[in-house]
Amino acid sequence: AQSVTQPDIHITVSEGASLELRCNYSYGATPYLFWYVQSPGQGLQLLLKYFSGDTLVQGIKGFEAEFKRSQSSFNLRKPSVHWSDAAEYFCAVGGSSNTGKLIFGQGTTLQVKP
Amino acid sequence: NAGVTQTPKFQVLKTGQSMTLQCAQDMNHEYMSWYRQDPGMGLRLIHYSVGAGITDQGEVPNGYNVSRSTTEDFPLRLLSAAPSQTSVYFCASSGVSGVHSPLHFGNGTRLTVT
Repeated sequence: AQSVTQPDIHITVSEGASLELRCNYSYGATPYLFWYVQSPGQGLQLLLKYFSGDTLVQGIKGFEAEFKRSQSSFNLRKPSVHWSDAAEYFCAVGGSSNTGKLIFGQGTTLQVKP
Repeated sequence: NAGVTQTPKFQVLKTGQSMTLQCAQDMNHEYMSWYRQDPGMGLRLIHYSVGAGITDQGEVPNGYNVSRSTTEDFPLRLLSAAPSQTSVYFCASSGVSGVHSPLHFGNGTRLTVT
């Protein structure tokens, strides 16, 4: 079955600390992987995407993610968190056909302590 | 740049009422989709469309109807509202490209069914 698991429902980090949000996927074909961020009351904004090639991808707002095929993971990282990063983060997987169909994880809520 | 526009932002319905959630995009995207977001469940695909006149069911289509008469518009109809349809609804679109293009999301419609 195709699925995305984000093991951490809620994470709290101090401002300036590093961050890693975990994402594991199960997908029968070559996965296309995404991280989205959702601020309160807003829609989802794309942070970064992985299609192929270099397994370390850079995104907006200083985020990066690493694709590890052997572990079926696509973890999101940021070296130094800012208070404005507090939001909900979603990992998603899709297939090679461009149909706009994504499977989303449950989401991880990030709280940033001053 | 309007992007994806959803109306209304908020709606309260009584059980059994019907209504239409509107979605319009001005990016000439062929692909449009509707998701619902529920706490702890991420986003789940309701219906999607790969072009005008073509629609298909997603993961949770029961109780919802869609049509796609133009490229720009993709309304979602609730035929007979039920409390289980209380949720936040997101419309999304993506363009045609050689690789999987990311979804662009509207800001959502928060629906409460009493």
